[in-house]
Amino acid sequence: QKEVEQDPGPLSVPEGAIVSLNCTYSNSAFQYFMWYRQYSRKGPELLMYTYSSGNKEDGRFTAQVDKSSKYISLFIRDSQPSDSATYLCAMSEWGGGADGLTFGKGTHLIIQP
Amino acid sequence: SAVISQKPSRDICQRGTSLTIQCQVDSQVTMMFWYRQQPGQSLTLIATANQGSEATYESGFVIDKFPISRPNLTFSTLTVSNMSPEDSSIYLCSVRTGVTYEQYFGPGTRLTVT
Repeated sequence: QKEVEQDPGPLSVPEGAIVSLNCTYSNSAFQYFMWYRQYSRKGPELLMYTYSSGNKEDGRFTAQVDKSSKYISLFIRDSQPSDSATYLCAMSEWGGGADGLTFGKGTHLIIQP
Repeated sequence: SAVISQKPSRDICQRGTSLTIQCQVDSQVTMMFWYRQQPGQSLTLIATANQGSEATYESGFVIDKFPISRPNLTFSTLTVSNMSPEDSSIYLCSVRTGVTYEQYFGPGTRLTVT
């Protein structure tokens, strides 16, 4: 069983729809959770960062963490064609120090105009 | 956040040769990391670049293959040695500023080994 599971898609939705992206993980020690957006031939761009369980909202983006279910989600409201990209979930145990990130494979999202 | 640049942005190399990738950050950072992104695979941590001491490598990665330097708080290099086609990948530099726990990535170096 891989540490972080993420459906690779592609996920295609019409413009204006609400998008739900998800990851599950097996390591209960993960406490810090991040979502990155990666456009083709670009580096990952940090979108959202959350610690432990709960919700965090930033504009059209909402990140949710359910540690009891080992499940994290990213919601995108009023999706735009410019949101078309690959979305990567990432997580770590300690958040600081020399603790690197464990990534999912990424979900390829297509927003149809 | 931090602005991260990498050189080269891409390269095509012959089997058996070595390539050194540079990572430059616009401000001093506490932690620098090197990741590999292969097609269809998760971003994978290669090593943590430690200033003034040997890098810390993840399981499956060794210093002879991926020597890393970090002479100061804004610069690091990753060398891919004795390359084979299996090393064809995107190599990404990442930093943690120390102010917050967020981790930022450079634009990546796209390496093709023929």
